Amino acid sequence: EVQLVESGGGLVQPGGSLRLSCAASGFTFSSYWMSWVRQAPGKGLEWVANIKQDGSEKYYVDSVKGRFTISRDNAKNSLYLQMNSLRAEDTAVYYCARGLHSSSLHNFLYWGQGTLVTVSS
Amino acid sequence: QSVLTQPPSVSAAPGQKVTISCSGSSSNIGNNYVSWYQQLPGTAPKLLIYDNNKRPSGIPDRFSGSKSGTSATLGITGLQTGDEADYYCGTWDSSLSFVVFGGGTKLTVL
Repeated sequence: EVQLVESGGGLVQPGGSLRLSCAASGFTFSSYWMSWVRQAPGKGLEWVANIKQDGSEKYYVDSVKGRFTISRDNAKNSLYLQMNSLRAEDTAVYYCARGLHSSSLHNFLYWGQGTLVTVSS
Repeated sequence: QSVLTQPPSVSAAPGQKVTISCSGSSSNIGNNYVSWYQQLPGTAPKLLIYDNNKRPSGIPDRFSGSKSGTSATLGITGLQTGDEADYYCGTWDSSLSFVVFGGGTKLTVL
């Protein structure tokens, strides 16, 4: 059974940093593109970033470029999101997501339960 | 302002059919596959449709998808109260080089 479990969310002050983790199991993690998707309270879905199987390609939504870094450790079956210079508008539930096929940049079939990040003073 | 445009809300009676539209451009819907998601309150999104019109295992055939040009449509027949949820379209945008979602459509089954 595919499982994605996020952790690392919490309350942080504006300008602060936070590192999210996603522990994957039940599939060959190193074979799949992986993504982070967020959802602000009461708002819609917003894709944040994704990373290729070997980490050689990474893409980011414009609003987080230069502040967030996506990474992965295939030996540990884990996905990460390092978030720096956090702003109030980054407040959201952050989901780890995997596509249907190994080459899927979207078609997110598997989602974690989400971890809440709150940026507030 | 989302890159993909969806109506904020739609409604229909139980047993009826409803369609939800998703409008984009040549850089996203026009040249890439579209997916659709259902999100029930307090839960993670669920993939309903991928590659424009395909259903993952376990998704009933009451749900269907289509695409024409730079627009896509999700259809739901035989509406049930359990279908009340938010629905999102999504695709890759080749110009932006990232995944884009619609703003979401709230379905109410009257």
